[in-house]
Amino acid sequence: GENVEQHPSTLSVQEGDSAVIKCTYSDSASNYFPWYKQELGKRPQLIIDIRSNVGEKKDQRIAVTLNKTAKHFSLHITETQPEDSAVYFCAASMVAPASKLTFGTGTRLQVTL
Amino acid sequence: DTGVSQDPRHKITKRGQNVTFRCDPISEHNRLYWYRQTLGQGPEFLTYFQNEAQLEKSRLLSDRFSAERPKGSFSTLEIQRTEQGDSAMYLCASSLGPGGRGSGGTYEQYFGPGTRLTVT
Repeated sequence: GENVEQHPSTLSVQEGDSAVIKCTYSDSASNYFPWYKQELGKRPQLIIDIRSNVGEKKDQRIAVTLNKTAKHFSLHITETQPEDSAVYFCAASMVAPASKLTFGTGTRLQVTL
Repeated sequence: DTGVSQDPRHKITKRGQNVTFRCDPISEHNRLYWYRQTLGQGPEFLTYFQNEAQLEKSRLLSDRFSAERPKGSFSTLEIQRTEQGDSAMYLCASSLGPGGRGSGGTYEQYFGPGTRLTVT
């Protein structure tokens, strides 16, 4: 089955700096890669996703890049703000036939003033 | 609130008791998933439904676990003879899958707030 590894496990940046979180996956059949943000005690929230037919996707301060050959994808957050502090999870799945998500172990991002 | 809802939000039970959780997905979503999340870990897939059909179960799902989605709308997850190792957050998610109503054919999964189970 699919295995997703995520690094780093913790990341501390100063407000305004950029943050990068990296994930690798094992199953070359995976073609959908979402990122979720989870604040303490709350539900995971989808913040951005990418499908394997594109190499990069951007939404305001958040971007995701995908390298299918190397089987890795990354989340980039620019101009970080204190409200970006949370745990971020990457995930991988096949859109079809099943779309169960295999998650990474999470990255705790702390944005300091 | 048109998002995914779960009930109860918290459940404390004694070892050996049975518990049942409910999930109400986003109304137009025909796929419903159950995940389990323990402290410091990402959610782990348990099972999923397309409409009323249970299409896949994880090997994590022992015989003590059963899930249903009888009318293709809400779903229940039952754990029989609970063990302390069952203590976790049980998350439900829904998505628009093949044949579902709604625009775009998106497969994005939206999570509910979870049910936190504590087995004493």
